[in-house]
Amino acid sequence: SQQGEEDPQALSIQEGENATMNCSYKTSINNLQWYRQNSGRGLVHLILIRSNEREKHSGRLRVTLDTSKKSSSLLITASRAADTASYFCALNNAGNMLTFGGGTRLMVKP
Amino acid sequence: DTAVSQTPKYLVTQMGNDKSIKCEQNLGHDTMYWYKQDSKKFLKIMFSYNNKELIINETVPNRFSPKSPDKAHLNLHINSLELGDSAVYFCASSQARGNEQYFGPGTRLTVT
Repeated sequence: SQQGEEDPQALSIQEGENATMNCSYKTSINNLQWYRQNSGRGLVHLILIRSNEREKHSGRLRVTLDTSKKSSSLLITASRAADTASYFCALNNAGNMLTFGGGTRLMVKP
Repeated sequence: DTAVSQTPKYLVTQMGNDKSIKCEQNLGHDTMYWYKQDSKKFLKIMFSYNNKELIINETVPNRFSPKSPDKAHLNLHINSLELGDSAVYFCASSQARGNEQYFGPGTRLTVT
């Protein structure tokens, strides 16, 4: 499949805990992007990681990419209730088009 | 200032009607997109467009057509609406294909 597959589909944690979401894919990519979607809103870009990069950080977010395993992970440290949202990985592959996975629904309980 | 805006936010219409959704971006981006998000949250690209090239997802029925009066606007026209067209439609833009995308707030279309 050309789209990423997120795992788990749903995740529930307590505030302050870390949240890890994974994305696996099958094709070669130019880059991989993570987006957040709050309920009833549009998607918000979080991080873009290129195929020649292994790790990127942005505030409490850490993304890793393992092209040999065709997988990426998004780690949110010290989670907050406001982090409750759906998180999507998007693959930029042939043709420079983005294909999105089904998302991980994260709930952070206060 | 809103970066990517869409109107209307909600659209309820009957089967067989023709409708349009408007999208505008003030980011100066060269590329705009339309996505469809179904009830299970799967997001599917419908069109990618810049001033040189239109790329159409081959699974999109030809009842759907994008129209771009200028670089800042990409409207979505839908003819002969069907029940299965009910979904949330998102417009997005990026500086170039493959770059990070900026999404509008979405238009929830309900076909009755």
